Amino acid sequence: DSGVTQTPKHLITATGQRVTLRCSPRSGDLSVYWYQQSLDQGLQFLIQYYNGEERAKGNILERFSAQQFPDLHSELNLSSLELGDSALYFCASSLSSYGYTFGSGTRLTVV
Amino acid sequence: DAKTTQPPSMDCAEGRAANLPCNHSTISGNEYVYWYRQIHSQGPQYIIHGLKNNETNEMASLIITEDRKSSTLILPHATLRDTAVYYCIVSLAGGTSYGKLTFGQGTILTVHP
Repeated sequence: DSGVTQTPKHLITATGQRVTLRCSPRSGDLSVYWYQQSLDQGLQFLIQYYNGEERAKGNILERFSAQQFPDLHSELNLSSLELGDSALYFCASSLSSYGYTFGSGTRLTVV
Repeated sequence: DAKTTQPPSMDCAEGRAANLPCNHSTISGNEYVYWYRQIHSQGPQYIIHGLKNNETNEMASLIITEDRKSSTLILPHATLRDTAVYYCIVSLAGGTSYGKLTFGQGTILTVHP
């Protein structure tokens, strides 16, 4: 157990639907990062939050959004889902520097 | 972030040292070298990082050349459980606005009996 908790572990949904992925960072970590890993793209950085504020954005689609709440947990919202959104979604957290801790991921399958 | 180049795959015999190279010729002075690995479809796992000096921890050693343009991750006694994709990443330190890690394709290390 890395200390970063992601739920759900698996999610199957239909095209056009909306889902929410949840991440609880390690205790004390202020930064949360979201990554997408598909077969043909590798690990892609989506977005970073630090203590509730957005700090960096990667190649995140406009259909995707995220937020970090006062208790530091984060949610990644994916809407108008397409088949190509099927992927592993990882959350990572860090305190201030030197090394991230990743969760075990959410496997999203869009059918 | 500076770009890194790694061999796509490597093999290693169990019990032997695994030496994984990484080229980062465009690294800037304040960028660190990080190594992560990903076993099957699990979340990436932090291994080690360094700036200039060689580093060692319970998992591995990191050797950085004097000009910082390349590095080598050493797993001293590889086991079957070390079979994974190993990522070499160059990034500014810090978990705030500089904390983004950019993953490349990595090296698939296969440890065989």
